[in-house]
Amino acid sequence: DTEVTQTPKHLVMGMTNKKSLKCEQHMGHRAMYWYKQKAKKPPELMFVYSYEKLSINESVPSRFSPECPNSSLLNLHLHALQPEDSALYLCASSQAPGTGTNEQYFGPGTRLTVT
Amino acid sequence: GDSVTQMEGPVTLSEEAFLTINCTYTATGYPSLFWYVQYPGEGLQLLLKATKADDKGSNKGFEATYRKETTSFHLEKGSVQVSDSAVYFCALLNFGNEKLTFGTGTRLTIIP
Repeated sequence: DTEVTQTPKHLVMGMTNKKSLKCEQHMGHRAMYWYKQKAKKPPELMFVYSYEKLSINESVPSRFSPECPNSSLLNLHLHALQPEDSALYLCASSQAPGTGTNEQYFGPGTRLTVT
Repeated sequence: GDSVTQMEGPVTLSEEAFLTINCTYTATGYPSLFWYVQYPGEGLQLLLKATKADDKGSNKGFEATYRKETTSFHLEKGSVQVSDSAVYFCALLNFGNEKLTFGTGTRLTIIP
């Protein structure tokens, strides 16, 4: 099974709201990723967790706050977002991080609209 | 730094036509190479991969060969179907890195 699940599928939030995106995988992967994808663009890496520790933060604004409660779960907490943050947010996972041969498996994404 | 260059789209083909989507890369070391496909409204699906020179990845009738001498990983399919309409991303992952480098994507539309 190579499934990564994400909830919710769609989210509409105001600029003063606080919400969270959730991601789960049961493949025993030890690396998990958050990406942001705008229309007609490739995904842009936001964060990487390796063995439940944050290993990469691509200079993402602090209104995005990742959390990795355990090796199967990854959250993205959202607060005071801007309309330009509207995008498809993708979660991915892979096996042992940093080996260079490990493909990333993506979830279906959460379509976020900030009003 | 690492980079991936894909042919500009969109690409429109008739059903049963032969498909080639060009992908070339620049990287230090020995990267792994991937093709991902994104259907409308969905996430990315891994289509195929190759981890070393001369490897051929294949899946669902699609093939790509890792050519180190030309730094290329072109995607091919002998006979496309309407269901192949999607955006295709070429990507590389360098050894020891956690960051995928994507090409810009190629939108493919197959008409009946």
